[in-house]
Amino acid sequence: DAKTTQPNSMESNEEEPVHLPCNHSTISGTDYIHWYRQLPSQGPEYVIHGLTSNVNNRMASLAIAEDRKSSTLILHRATLRDAAVYYCILSSRGSSNTGKLIFGQGTTLQVKP
Amino acid sequence: NAGVTQTPKFRVLKTGQSMTLLCAQDMNHEYMYWYRQDPGMGLRLIHYSVGEGTTAKGEVPDGYNVSRLKKQNFLLGLESAAPSQTSVYFCASRSTSGNTIYFGEGSWLTVV
Repeated sequence: DAKTTQPNSMESNEEEPVHLPCNHSTISGTDYIHWYRQLPSQGPEYVIHGLTSNVNNRMASLAIAEDRKSSTLILHRATLRDAAVYYCILSSRGSSNTGKLIFGQGTTLQVKP
Repeated sequence: NAGVTQTPKFRVLKTGQSMTLLCAQDMNHEYMYWYRQDPGMGLRLIHYSVGEGTTAKGEVPDGYNVSRLKKQNFLLGLESAAPSQTSVYFCASRSTSGNTIYFGEGSWLTVV
């Protein structure tokens, strides 16, 4: 099965950029890379996803390595509301990886004022 | 996350009681999942389904049963609740292509 690895925790200062890495060296060609974040007592919230090309939306950017074995979630200006646990998730097309979602262990982001 | 609805949101059970959590999605997704999340931990897969009428075990299936009689609904059952099943339960669904995942808002279950 594919596997994703993330650092357990990271710190950032408010209004500075944050780069959250995810390693997925066993990713297959049909796996989408998703990023979700979770605030205390809430369900996972969608941040961004991509397949091969870098992606931008109003919340963040996703930089995908050319070999797709790693990706980086970029928060351009961290705010206190961005403090959360960030999950990198692989989602395969069809029944690859038996249809499971492959979760990283999550990175707890602390944002200091 | 309006596409995935979990009921109930909160429930207190006595040890040995049974209950069913319902996950409903309206996006015609084939794949559905039940996870549990304990304090300070990540999500752990209980059971999942790759289509109507099919179910499969995840990493922590003991003490739970599931059914997927209709494509839009995935039910998680506790036949005889135990305090160790006190947790937050999340349902998720995803598209066949893998490019869309939706999570429910969670169901808080306490077993006393």
